Amino acid sequence: EAGVAQSPRYKIIEKRQSVAFWCNPISGHATLYWYQQILGQGPKLLIQFQNNGVVDDSQLPKDRFSAERLKGVDSTLKIQPAKLEDSAVYLCASSPAVDYGYTFGSGTRLTVV
Amino acid sequence: AQTVTQSQPEMSVQEAETVTLSCTYDTSESDYYLFWYKQPPSRQMILVIRQEAYKQQNATENRFSVNFQKAAKSFSLKISDSQLGDAAMYFCAYRSSGGSNYKLTFGKGTLLTVNP
Repeated sequence: EAGVAQSPRYKIIEKRQSVAFWCNPISGHATLYWYQQILGQGPKLLIQFQNNGVVDDSQLPKDRFSAERLKGVDSTLKIQPAKLEDSAVYLCASSPAVDYGYTFGSGTRLTVV
Repeated sequence: AQTVTQSQPEMSVQEAETVTLSCTYDTSESDYYLFWYKQPPSRQMILVIRQEAYKQQNATENRFSVNFQKAAKSFSLKISDSQLGDAAMYFCAYRSSGGSNYKLTFGKGTLLTVNP
């Protein structure tokens, strides 16, 4: 089966600019996650979707980050405006609704200068 | 809230030797899942092995095995017959078993170097 697709692979922007990341999960996976991985740390969950509804966004900085999952398939994560501390790898993952197995994408490395 | 601690930022092993990576966690839950993920430079997180807390038997996947000590809240990973391809960041992760929140809580990782 095809894996979790993410784009772009790399992105460099200046602070205060906006940026968007795209994720296409594995077909049929109802649950989709966005994780932020700052250099030297483990990934941290930003938001979890179940189909197109939000299950957990408690750690999403809502003043600048937004995410949507239209039609319960693809998802977009947006940052506006970006700060230097947003430099990180943004990982998308998906899983079947009732299984505990995740499949991760290769992530987008964001550098804010 | 659950926390996961990996006390070894870096480890090294000679090819064909055995290495053990440590992980401890803190939780008040009785049922949960524990995982080891591998992250090579390609950045994709790859599941190495998983353990259900209700199972007493330690999980094994080929050259990878765990030592799960529930009372001590310890979950170490043993890699036998280390290969050059095992070099990567290794993350220990925790997940609750109940509800619909499948969030993974990760440790900070251990960078494993395999020397030829």
